[in-house]
Amino acid sequence: LAKTTQPISMDSYEGQEVNITCSHNNIATNDYITWYQQFPSQGPRFIIQGYKTKVTNEVASLFIPADRKSSTLSLPRVSLSDTAVYYCLVGDWVDSSYKLIFGSGTRLLVRP
Amino acid sequence: GAVVSQHPSWVICKSGTSVKIECRSLDFQATTMFWYRQFPKQSLMLMATSNEGSKATYEQGVEKDKFLINHASLTLSTLTVTSAHPEDSSFYICSARGGSEQYFGPGTRLTVT
Repeated sequence: LAKTTQPISMDSYEGQEVNITCSHNNIATNDYITWYQQFPSQGPRFIIQGYKTKVTNEVASLFIPADRKSSTLSLPRVSLSDTAVYYCLVGDWVDSSYKLIFGSGTRLLVRP
Repeated sequence: GAVVSQHPSWVICKSGTSVKIECRSLDFQATTMFWYRQFPKQSLMLMATSNEGSKATYEQGVEKDKFLINHASLTLSTLTVTSAHPEDSSFYICSARGGSEQYFGPGTRLTVT
């Protein structure tokens, strides 16, 4: 079972900031939080990864509170091309193997 | 970022035949590779985990004799769908881990007629 919970869908408009929050109440001490973006008929694309506090790269920011039980992906000034499914994942140690189990993801629709 | 490639990007085969899909990590060595399957409008489902030089570990409900996985080197893993049937038609995605980050291939669309 996936260790994360996200909203199923979100709508936004071009130029707005979009924040997608993910819950991971059972995150383990050594788990990282990773976000991926997926377009139809493509593999997921790595967006950002963090362990705690705030991480920023050229496309997004990731905010992680001190208890690490949730995280928020922030996409500044979205465009139509940001319409995609966004997945939040934390790893899962199963039989000495670290696996990424996907949840349902958040389907983001950016409108003109 | 790191690059993972898959070949072929799409394949059509007749029912009963076998199909091999290759997954390569192009600029890093991946000790662990993963195979996922994705049906339309659904999330990715992990099928199996493979470590270089050892047998793959399959998720519950995935037939290991039907989905043969070989991880021959640190940059190559293959998935063979044996005796394919129409219900095996899906989008197959491989993934490779380098350090703490995991990268995904572009996917292979398999259609079994």
